[in-house]
Amino acid sequence: GENVEQHPSTLSVQEGDSAVIKCTYSDSASNYFPWYKQELGKGPQLIIDIRSNVGEKKDQRIAVTLNKTAKHFSLHITETQPEDSAVYFCAAYKGYSTLTFGKGTMLLVSP
Amino acid sequence: DSGVTQTPKHLITATGQRVTLRCSPRSGDLSVYWYQQSLDQGLQFLIQYYNGEERAKGNILERFSAQQFPDLHSELNLSSLELGDSALYFCASSAAEAPDTGELFFGEGSRLTVL
Repeated sequence: GENVEQHPSTLSVQEGDSAVIKCTYSDSASNYFPWYKQELGKGPQLIIDIRSNVGEKKDQRIAVTLNKTAKHFSLHITETQPEDSAVYFCAAYKGYSTLTFGKGTMLLVSP
Repeated sequence: DSGVTQTPKHLITATGQRVTLRCSPRSGDLSVYWYQQSLDQGLQFLIQYYNGEERAKGNILERFSAQQFPDLHSELNLSSLELGDSALYFCASSAAEAPDTGELFFGEGSRLTVL
């Protein structure tokens, strides 16, 4: 089955800095890659997603890039704010399969 | 608030016991997913139901079972509990059958502690 590796497991940045979280996947047939944010005491929430026919997608301060050849995708958060502190999960999916999550990255943004 | 309701929020029980976790999906959502979250394993997919039928199955133990009822709520039954079953169990719902055609909305989880 699909295997998703996520790095780093923890990331500490200063407010205003950029943060980058990277994921690799094993199944070249995967074609949908969402990112979820989990705040303390809550369930994960979708923040952005990308499909295999697109190389980059942006939504205000967050962006996701996808390299199908290398089978990796990344989440970029610019101008980080304390409220960005959370656990971020990447995931991969192909048709007739299941959504497979990485193990998560704890992002801490210090004021 | 995602609109997905999970009960109970916390549950403490002993090894060998059986528990039932309940999930009420968002109004109108036909898909229900169950995930197990532990510190070292992240989010592990257990099972998905779509409109009452099992659609996908992950690494769900034989001691675990689930079902989706005609009113679309779902229950996850965990039996012969072991210490290693202690985890946060999430339910998610979606309007779509597949994860790539509809956003998954997660509940706040049920934290199970097995002593």
